Amino acid sequence: GAGVSQSPRYKVTKRGQDVTLRCDPISSHATLYWYQQALGQGPEFLTYFNYEAQPDKSGLPSDRFSAERPEGSISTLTIQRTEQRDSAMYRCASSLDRGHHEQYFGPGTRLTVT
Amino acid sequence: AQSVTQLGSHVSVSEGALVLLRCNYSSSVPPYLFWYVQYPNQGLQLLLKYTSAATLVKGINGFEAEFKKSETSFHLTKPSAHMSDAAEYFCAVSDAGANSKLTFGKGITLSVRP
Repeated sequence: GAGVSQSPRYKVTKRGQDVTLRCDPISSHATLYWYQQALGQGPEFLTYFNYEAQPDKSGLPSDRFSAERPEGSISTLTIQRTEQRDSAMYRCASSLDRGHHEQYFGPGTRLTVT
Repeated sequence: AQSVTQLGSHVSVSEGALVLLRCNYSSSVPPYLFWYVQYPNQGLQLLLKYTSAATLVKGINGFEAEFKKSETSFHLTKPSAHMSDAAEYFCAVSDAGANSKLTFGKGITLSVRP
């Protein structure tokens, strides 16, 4: 696609529910990143994919968080048993490849856990 | 580990005045440095990047930044502020390693007074 898209743009869920966020990167981009941005903070790295491989998931806060990119294109981030502290903006970015460094960001998904 | 410090959370300037947004970084390896801008309800947009070439980097919308290794700084400047520059600005560092993940500062909100 022309840019990185994310859906939904806004998600409100009740504590304890599972949520899945979607990212559709720029079509030619091999590398995809997920970041979490709390209010008043900068984005923080969660995990990244190179095609369908997931070499680094060191930023995932707990085992309730998981991400997939099964065909090396669209990616999903799933949060199980959501907690209020999971409320944040979740940002996806893509890059031509791991060494290219310039990351293109989507509009983000604002998650609110009530 | 890498880190970015953006002192202060808010800067206010008059239209036509100099814009100076400060960024200091910490990195154990030669860094790649970035400034991103976020307009309301939009994703992060790359303003400019330093990737070990010229130390003075020019970006979009008249912004530029200078890499000063001795001061571990990468301050963002614009000679004359425009109302449309009002936004949130993030400085970020990448370790130029295998995954190129970004470490962001907390961000600075720029207001422009008429």
